[in-house]
Amino acid sequence: SQTIHQWPATLVQPVGSPLSLECTVEGTSNPNLYWYRQAAGRGLQLLFYSIGIDQISSEVPQNLSASRPQDRQFILSSKKLLLSDSGFYLCAWSVLSGGLRDTQYFGPGTRLTVL
Amino acid sequence: GEDVEQSLFLSVREGDSSVINCTYTDSSSTYLYWYKQEPGAGLQLLTYIFSNMDMKQDQRLTVLLNKKDKHLSLRIADTQTGDSAIYFCAERKERSYNQGGKLIFGQGTELSVKP
Repeated sequence: SQTIHQWPATLVQPVGSPLSLECTVEGTSNPNLYWYRQAAGRGLQLLFYSIGIDQISSEVPQNLSASRPQDRQFILSSKKLLLSDSGFYLCAWSVLSGGLRDTQYFGPGTRLTVL
Repeated sequence: GEDVEQSLFLSVREGDSSVINCTYTDSSSTYLYWYKQEPGAGLQLLTYIFSNMDMKQDQRLTVLLNKKDKHLSLRIADTQTGDSAIYFCAERKERSYNQGGKLIFGQGTELSVKP
């Protein structure tokens, strides 16, 4: 069966510090991968999605970047965090084919607080 | 626009039925989803419905789809305190390869179940 992991679970960082959040998927090959941010207002904002290694699409201009160095690894980064980067970051995956293609399955999330 | 709309709050008594409503925008959407988010956790896929169906039942959950009005509902029978969570509906746009199968999420309905 497929599982998705996110690391770390919680993070408190000062303004201006770098960021690296990791997401890994097990039990599937060549998934689509997604990074979302959920701010206090509850809505989900799609930040990045990836359809393959080194193929990243950015949805909104921002202080963050994403990379996919391996098929099942997706990394969210920043060189200098802003206060507005605080939020709950969710990674998700989907399959490219089959009856439930594009159905997204979410990881447990990372709570980021920037002080 | 791309808005998927849901009411923000719903309060019911334990044992009653809950009905959470959602309106979506794209008549060509092929899959519609309901996700559940418990506090501090990621989104859990609850159920889904194909656009060629009117109804889907899965134990205590019933999904109704009215394509003419672009209205989706989730009924939870015999609601329990463990059902307290935020419920998100989402639509999948007609898929194109380079769009990564994006989903459009509503803002979520917070269900509060009182004993």
